Amino acid sequence: SQQGEEDPQALSIQEGENATMNCSYKTSINNLQWYRQNSGRGLVHLILIRSNEREKHSGRLRVTLDTSKKSSSLLITASRAADTASYFCAPSGYSTLTFGKGTMLLVSP
Amino acid sequence: NAGVTQTPKFQVLKTGQSMTLQCAQDMNHEYMSWYRQDPGMGLRLIHYSVGAGITDQGEVPNGYNVSRSTTEDFPLRLLSAAPSQTSVYFCASSPTLTGNYGYTFGSGTRLTVV
Repeated sequence: SQQGEEDPQALSIQEGENATMNCSYKTSINNLQWYRQNSGRGLVHLILIRSNEREKHSGRLRVTLDTSKKSSSLLITASRAADTASYFCAPSGYSTLTFGKGTMLLVSP
Repeated sequence: NAGVTQTPKFQVLKTGQSMTLQCAQDMNHEYMSWYRQDPGMGLRLIHYSVGAGITDQGEVPNGYNVSRSTTEDFPLRLLSAAPSQTSVYFCASSPTLTGNYGYTFGSGTRLTVV
């Protein structure tokens, strides 16, 4: 199974600003997923982008995928304090998902 | 409410004790799995199942046992608890193993072994 590596490890911004997180992986994938984890809670699935897609939107979320560079990015526009959480990418082939250490996002009012 | 239910939410064990962490889902998902999350380590896969009667090991299976007698339930057994098993445990389910669908996670069990 593949594992993604999120960057940066931590990100601190003000409400209203955009937040960008990156994910790199090493092997070919079928799709890539992003998850959010609020402190002490289970992971919540945000968005899935397939290997033949380059960009996908869901509300204030925009995900890009560059399979030639084996990288993905998650953009959260107009961040809110409620977006404070850890964010994980999960590249997927045809096996179980593995998760890296995530990006911890802090959005200050 | 549809989803993944984990019990208990908190547990303190003494070294050497055994216990079972419960996980149940009502979405008719074939795939279920257990992860543990430790500070600075991300989530690590313990065991997983692709259907009733079928289980397999993940990255860190030692000290844990699983079985899957029904589609709905996937309990995780700690055979003889050790302080190294102090962690937060998450159960997840999905329609299939392949990652073509998002995983649904439970709210976790916080386990402390003293």
